Amino acid sequence: NAGVMQNPRHLVRRRGQEARLRCSPMKGHSHVYWYRQLPEEGLKFMVYLQKENIIDESGMPKERFSAEFPKEGPSILRIQQVVRGDSAAYFCASSPYPGNLNQPQHFGDGTRLSIL
Amino acid sequence: SQQGEEDPQALSIQEGENATMNCSYKTSINNLQWYRQNSGRGLVHLILIRSNEREKHSGRLRVTLDTSKKSSSLLITASRAADTASYFCATDSTGTYKYIFGTGTRLKVLA
Repeated sequence: NAGVMQNPRHLVRRRGQEARLRCSPMKGHSHVYWYRQLPEEGLKFMVYLQKENIIDESGMPKERFSAEFPKEGPSILRIQQVVRGDSAAYFCASSPYPGNLNQPQHFGDGTRLSIL
Repeated sequence: SQQGEEDPQALSIQEGENATMNCSYKTSINNLQWYRQNSGRGLVHLILIRSNEREKHSGRLRVTLDTSKKSSSLLITASRAADTASYFCATDSTGTYKYIFGTGTRLKVLA
């Protein structure tokens, strides 16, 4: 499967625990975006990364949330000390080009995070 | 409010009918894209229209863009039950790298 791979598909955490969401972009893609989606709503931009660099994190809460895209391995979205309001679907998208070059994004099937 | 706003929020039609969804946005753009999302799945790219284009076709899809009104429409002709999904428009924002998604139109096509 050459598509964007996200895992786990479903993640259950208790309040106060940490959640780690992984995204492996399509082969050859070095640009990764993370989005959050609440039920019946659109996707909200969180962060845009290139390999080893955070380019735009303007949509990500300043506390408890962090993202990385190391030279080797998947991109990770990390949420520390989760709260009920973090329950959502988190989607990753990748592209071979920067986001301002009129190219579509390729999405994974998301991780559905539930906080008990 | 969010950059892209679709209307209607929900649309229910019979198989064979056409479905039209609209998207409005606020700032200048380089391009506008339409995506489909099936329940429980990620988004699938349908069509991209550049700011200097007015209309684009892809199979049963027709997209128009009116930059003077900051609006776009997606027309699905001869709809099928398999077209049942949520449809989102997404705009880039000149000078930034991110895409802004609308709230979506939930389309139900009845067999």
